[in-house]
Order: sequence, then structure tokens, then C-alpha cells
Amino acid sequence: DAKTTQPPSMDCAEGRAANLPCNHSTISGNEYVYWYRQIHSQGPQYIIHGLKNNETNEMASLIITEDRKSSTLILPHATLRDTAVYYCIVRGKAAGNKLTFGGGTRVLVKP
Amino acid sequence: KAGVTQTPRYLIKTRGQQVTLSCSPISGHRSVSWYQQTPGQGLQFLFEYFSETQRNKGNFPGRFSGRQFSNSRSEMNVSTLELGDSALYLCASSFQAGGSDTQYFGPGTRLTVL
Repeated sequence: DAKTTQPPSMDCAEGRAANLPCNHSTISGNEYVYWYRQIHSQGPQYIIHGLKNNETNEMASLIITEDRKSSTLILPHATLRDTAVYYCIVRGKAAGNKLTFGGGTRVLVKP
Repeated sequence: KAGVTQTPRYLIKTRGQQVTLSCSPISGHRSVSWYQQTPGQGLQFLFEYFSETQRNKGNFPGRFSGRQFSNSRSEMNVSTLELGDSALYLCASSFQAGGSDTQYFGPGTRLTVL
């Protein structure tokens, strides 16, 4: 699976949008971009995933660049409960159900 | 629909003992994967089971083993525990194997080895 690069940490103001970048410059054509988050000592929580098109659900939006080499997860109105480590994972069928986690981005939402 | 459940949630063992952790997947899910999370190594893939067969294995010693039952519930076993086995053990389930389905994680089992 392609490797991802994320900033180690970022702060966000409560009520503002949080934009989390992820670089995956070696992504292959059939690999998806997945986002999970992990609130302290809990199991990772699935947020959203996409292949080429932008995606939106009740939790977040995922914007994937046209060349697919990077993406941005957008939390539209961050709350204190969004404080977590956010993982961007690139996953293809070749790896089966094995997820390869990097270091993620530690997001701190401040009042 | 109930989520992935793991038991026990917390466990304390001593070096040399063995431990068995249990995972019940989301109803209808047939694939179960296990991960180890430590502060130093992060989240690492242990193995995946589908239809009672191990389909994929991470880079862990043979002391780490698992199995899956016909109802898709899975157990993992760690024998001859070492201090470095202290970790959060996470289970994830998905409907299919093959990397086409989203995986959902359980709350984890926190293992402390003294």
C-alpha cells in the first residue's frame, strides 16, 4: 500500500472548520483513501473514504486532488469531542484487509 | 446494529503466562483482523481471519496466534508473555475479506504484563 504523510499535530478552534491534509504521492489507481480517528485509548473510528471523487457524510468531507496525490479531511464545525488522532490510510485490494497506520495527526480542538 | 465487542476490556498478567482475548464481530461480518497498539510502535497488524482461515499475517513471533470460529467470533492467544507485550489489542471486522469493505474497530483490550 502507498505510504502517507501527515503533519504530526495541529490545533483548531471550536466551531471552526478543521482541515487535515494528507500526502499520498505514490498512490495507485485502484487504491482508496481512508480516514479513521482515535480518541484517547479507544478503538479507531471510521470516518470516511474515497477513490477519486469528493465525498461527504454526516461526520466529514473528503477532498481528493485530481492527481490523487493528496487529500484533505474537513471537519466542518469542530467540537471539543473531535480532539483525537486522525489517521489517513491508503488501501488497495492487494493488501486485503490489512490496514497500515502511520503516525497520524494529533488534533487538539480548543475552546 | 451492535458494534464490535472485545472481552475482557482490561487484563493484568505476569511474565511467562499466556492470555486469550476474544472478539465478536458486527453481526453478518465474516472477516476479523487483529492489531497491536503500543506507544513505541503504533498500530500494527497482527493477522486476519475469514471463514475460519487465516488469510494474512503480520510480522509477529509465533507466540501470537489466533483462530476464528464458525460464528465468526475470533480469539487471539499470546503465550509466554513478555513485558513488551503490554499493549492495547484491537479487533476490527468487515463483511468480506479482500480489501473491498470498510473495517470497524472494537474498543480494544488493554493488556498489562508485569
